[in-house]
Amino acid sequence: QQQVKQSPQSLIVQKGGISIINCAYENTAFDYFPWYQQFPGKGPALLIAIRPDVSEKKEGRFTISFNKSAKQFSLHIMDSQPGDSATYFCAGQKKLSFGAGTTVTVRA
Amino acid sequence: AAGVIQSPRHLIKEKRETATLKCYPIPRHDTVYWYQQGPGQDPQFLISFYEKMQSDKGSIPDRFSAQQFSDYHSELNMSSLELGDSALYFCASSPDRVGEQFFGPGTRLTVL
Repeated sequence: QQQVKQSPQSLIVQKGGISIINCAYENTAFDYFPWYQQFPGKGPALLIAIRPDVSEKKEGRFTISFNKSAKQFSLHIMDSQPGDSATYFCAGQKKLSFGAGTTVTVRA
Repeated sequence: AAGVIQSPRHLIKEKRETATLKCYPIPRHDTVYWYQQGPGQDPQFLISFYEKMQSDKGSIPDRFSAQQFSDYHSELNMSSLELGDSALYFCASSPDRVGEQFFGPGTRLTVL
């Protein structure tokens, strides 16, 4: 059973557009919410992460918004670039539990 | 910077054979995790070790076993391989039991 639910499964965005990926969790024991970026045939790489005492975290073009009361968090990729085309996993951690993943394709 | 090293990178085995996957964590990382990722799936947690002791167990089949050695490297032993074991196997390491996990490049296991 997926402890972290992620949507959409895939999305296509134009270069320069905004990609938005949403996640929801049930386990209130989670105390760390990382996002991983994975390219085909490679291991997941940490992109950005947030702790539940913060509502927003921004690093460059990537922003996490966190809503603790709703148990939801989202990743916004601003000014999407073709190099951002990858699969993105949200996760909740005590023990790392991944969402199902979102494949983002950025068209030039 | 040093990363997690996994070997081999690719492995082809026949059904019912055994396989051993190795993971060398980032220096001074004492926690190792193993994940299995099927095609189009998210990584599934198998097992983890902290200071050479098993710390948590996920959906690891009884046919699989793992251990962490005195130098902190870890090995995942897989016996009686089945076609469904074909997947990417990732090792991740962490400097502690709750921090960021750094993933290795993975071992692609194909069972024929």
